Amino acid sequence: GESVGLHLPTLSVQEGDNSIINCAYSNSASDYFIWYKQESGKGPQFIIDIRSNMDKRQGQRVTVLLNKTVKHLSLQIAATQPGDSAVYFCAETYRAAGNKLTFGGGTRVLVKP
Amino acid sequence: DSGVTQTPKHLITATGQRVTLRCSPRSGDLSVYWYQQSLDQGLQFLIQYYNGEERAKGNILERFSAQQFPDLHSELNLSSLELGDSALYFCASSDRLAGGYTDTQYFGPGTRLTVL
Repeated sequence: GESVGLHLPTLSVQEGDNSIINCAYSNSASDYFIWYKQESGKGPQFIIDIRSNMDKRQGQRVTVLLNKTVKHLSLQIAATQPGDSAVYFCAETYRAAGNKLTFGGGTRVLVKP
Repeated sequence: DSGVTQTPKHLITATGQRVTLRCSPRSGDLSVYWYQQSLDQGLQFLIQYYNGEERAKGNILERFSAQQFPDLHSELNLSSLELGDSALYFCASSDRLAGGYTDTQYFGPGTRLTVL
């Protein structure tokens, strides 16, 4: 069945350094991937997305990389700031199955000053 | 602020009771999605509505039901509540029919349900 596997590690990063969060997915038919950020007590906040016909997409300080060969997704955050401390989730969807999102387990990012 | 609103923010109730969670989507969005977030299951899709009609179902219990009204707001009804139903319930909205492309979902702040 569909699943997006993301173990729940905690990534500690020094302020100003770059962060890389990884995600593995199992449904090779998935055609749209999204990264969400969730701060304590809040709902998931959209960060960036990527289509399956792309392998890289950049936003403001964030880059998403997609490797369909190994079914791997990553989120890179440049110059990590204290406000980046949160739990990050990857999600995938497969259009033929509707637009429901399947989420990974999440990664907690802690930014050390 | 995503533009999606949910009420109430917190809800405390007893086992066996019934509650209703409300969601107002972003202005113009026709699709509403409900998700449950618990510590042991993570974020799980429950159900989707588009313009008043049910479009997709996920891991939603038979004790749970939802509807979307003509003004596009949605309600999630949870009945015969059990301790295990304690979780965060999120609503998300997007603007296109499932099957369209890059139907980005924007999430509300959630309702924290505690069943005692």
